[in-house]
Amino acid sequence: KQEVTQIPAALSVPEGENLVLNCSFTDSAIYNLQWFRQDPGKGLTSLLLIQSSQREQTSGRLNASLDKSSGRSTLYIAASQPGDSATYLCAVQTGANNLFFGTGTRLTVIP
Amino acid sequence: EAGVAQSPRYKIIEKRQSVAFWCNPISGHATLYWYQQILGQGPKLLIQFQNNGVVDDSQLPKDRFSAERLKGVDSTLKIQPAKLEDSAVYLCASSPGAVPDTQYFGPGTRLTVL
Repeated sequence: KQEVTQIPAALSVPEGENLVLNCSFTDSAIYNLQWFRQDPGKGLTSLLLIQSSQREQTSGRLNASLDKSSGRSTLYIAASQPGDSATYLCAVQTGANNLFFGTGTRLTVIP
Repeated sequence: EAGVAQSPRYKIIEKRQSVAFWCNPISGHATLYWYQQILGQGPKLLIQFQNNGVVDDSQLPKDRFSAERLKGVDSTLKIQPAKLEDSAVYLCASSPGAVPDTQYFGPGTRLTVL
């Protein structure tokens, strides 16, 4: 059974810092990996989707990498801002269109 | 394009009561998903519909949870009777229906069972 782990569980950084969130998964037979953002009381917003054949995706200040063989992904956030404060969830998608989620990293960016 | 709609947004009930949640997916999306997200955890798939048929309900507690998707559009998720451990956010998502597919999530319904 696919298991997804995210480290750290919580992270607090001063504004302007670059930071890295980590995600690992146990079964490399995936179609893609997604990073989501979740604000309190809100649903999930997809940030980046990396297909299994890709190594990375970039969107603005966000860069996500995927090493499928080792079962790892990282989300890099450059020049963090208070508005980046949220919970970040990693999810892998299998052939049945099932999304397996990690438990998330709660990020706080301090002004 | 309108997103996935869910109602109600919040619900508070006492244990052993019944509750129902409603989801309206993005127009034209064939696949609909219900997830349960317990505080501090990632969402867990409860049930997946393809049009009005069930694709996967292996993690649905069928003794108390039921779901239907009439006419392959809207869906309802019901809990009867509710337990304290059912307190969670219930997320609905939809996708066009390809494999693999991108899922679009609604805002969720936060259920508190007292």
